[in-house]
Amino acid sequence: EDQVTQSPEALRLQEGESSSLNCSYTVSGLRGLFWYRQDPGKGPEFLFTLYSAGEEKEKERLKATLTKKESFLHITAPKPEDSATYLCAVQARGSQGNLIFGKGTKLSVKP
Amino acid sequence: GAVVSQHPSRVICKSGTSVKIECRSLDFQATTMFWYRQFPKKSLMLMATSNEGSKATYEQGVEKDKFLINHASLTLSTLTVTSAHPEDSSFYICSAIDRAWGTYEQYFGPGTRLTVT
Repeated sequence: EDQVTQSPEALRLQEGESSSLNCSYTVSGLRGLFWYRQDPGKGPEFLFTLYSAGEEKEKERLKATLTKKESFLHITAPKPEDSATYLCAVQARGSQGNLIFGKGTKLSVKP
Repeated sequence: GAVVSQHPSRVICKSGTSVKIECRSLDFQATTMFWYRQFPKKSLMLMATSNEGSKATYEQGVEKDKFLINHASLTLSTLTVTSAHPEDSSFYICSAIDRAWGTYEQYFGPGTRLTVT
């Protein structure tokens, strides 16, 4: 069964304190792994898609990496505006494109 | 690019009435759209996959007669919650795939908060 597990469930950081979020997955043939940011009461905002092990992508203070079993979202010197829930999802090869989501990591960055 | 809109953003309806939610891809054509439901502090749960010009594919446990999905054009899908009940109150989010670049990247709408009284 395709499955995504994110850890930790919640993470509190001080502004400037770098850290990483983990996404472990099992899928019958990975087409892509997706990271989204979701603010309360809003739809998920697309961040990255990773397609193969070893791939890395960066956007401002965020960097996503991918191995055959997991993905990490590294946050460098976070700011309070980075506070949100970060969702990881996988898309299986051969599917119509539907995503299987993890439960998310709620990040709080204190000034 | 890759903007998805939803309307309305919030709706309150009485038990027993029907509510229609629209999902539009504003700057791309979406042959496939998805409808998700999200409960408070929970992740997104896929309800159905909607393909333009054909019947939607519903996930196990989702009542197709209650949640009617229509994908009449390449930029519009609608979800109608029929005979709504308080337990249907939730956050409904649609998404669409932009296949113009040969990827399956999925973009989400801002969501619709449905409250059934």
